[in-house]
Amino acid sequence: NAGVMQNPRHLVRRRGQEARLRCSPMKGHSHVYWYRQLPEEGLKFMVYLQKENIIDESGMPKERFSAEFPKEGPSILRIQQVVRGDSAAYFCASSPSTGVKETQYFGPGTRLLVL
Amino acid sequence: GNSVTQMEGPVTLSEEAFLTINCTYTATGYPSLFWYVQYPGEGLQLLLKATKADDKGSNKGFEATYRKETTSFHLEKGSVQVSDSAVYFCALISGGGADGLTFGKGTHLIIQP
Repeated sequence: NAGVMQNPRHLVRRRGQEARLRCSPMKGHSHVYWYRQLPEEGLKFMVYLQKENIIDESGMPKERFSAEFPKEGPSILRIQQVVRGDSAAYFCASSPSTGVKETQYFGPGTRLLVL
Repeated sequence: GNSVTQMEGPVTLSEEAFLTINCTYTATGYPSLFWYVQYPGEGLQLLLKATKADDKGSNKGFEATYRKETTSFHLEKGSVQVSDSAVYFCALISGGGADGLTFGKGTHLIIQP
């Protein structure tokens, strides 16, 4: 059973460009979470999605960031007009359901560098 | 709101030493508690978890006990190895889980041979 997959593993963008990060959850998992890890910091929750629905986006910046999890295909985290402060590692996690007892399984992350 | 506080690193120990990494939390409701480990350049791996008070999570020689009275979930290992060198994150999730995991800042552990 393949784990959570993310691509690309590394992404370099110039200021003002768009970044698209992809996440394929573990087989059988329909719940996806995105987190951001800034240098020397812990992970910060960004958004929680189920298929075709954004359930909680309380951790998402109000502008330039969006996320989707379509009926078919991976979840996408999209950052428009990137700035240097967006440089971070972005991790996706999945779980078979939600709830306080559920374990989230993490992907290897996408490391975004904005020049 | 939820928060997790863990001891600052780096923590440097000799091989076979006893390890404790402190973690305390504040949370609404009855959270589940986790320790994740991150090796250089990799994602987070679940190390152990506990879902209710007095539960003990254990894995690979590591263990942590959910202490509701002290709101703590300290990570311990009796004899560390060089291969245990990594960053360790304490985390919790509460309520319906929709707001994701809340993480501590991480503790960098360095084990010297």
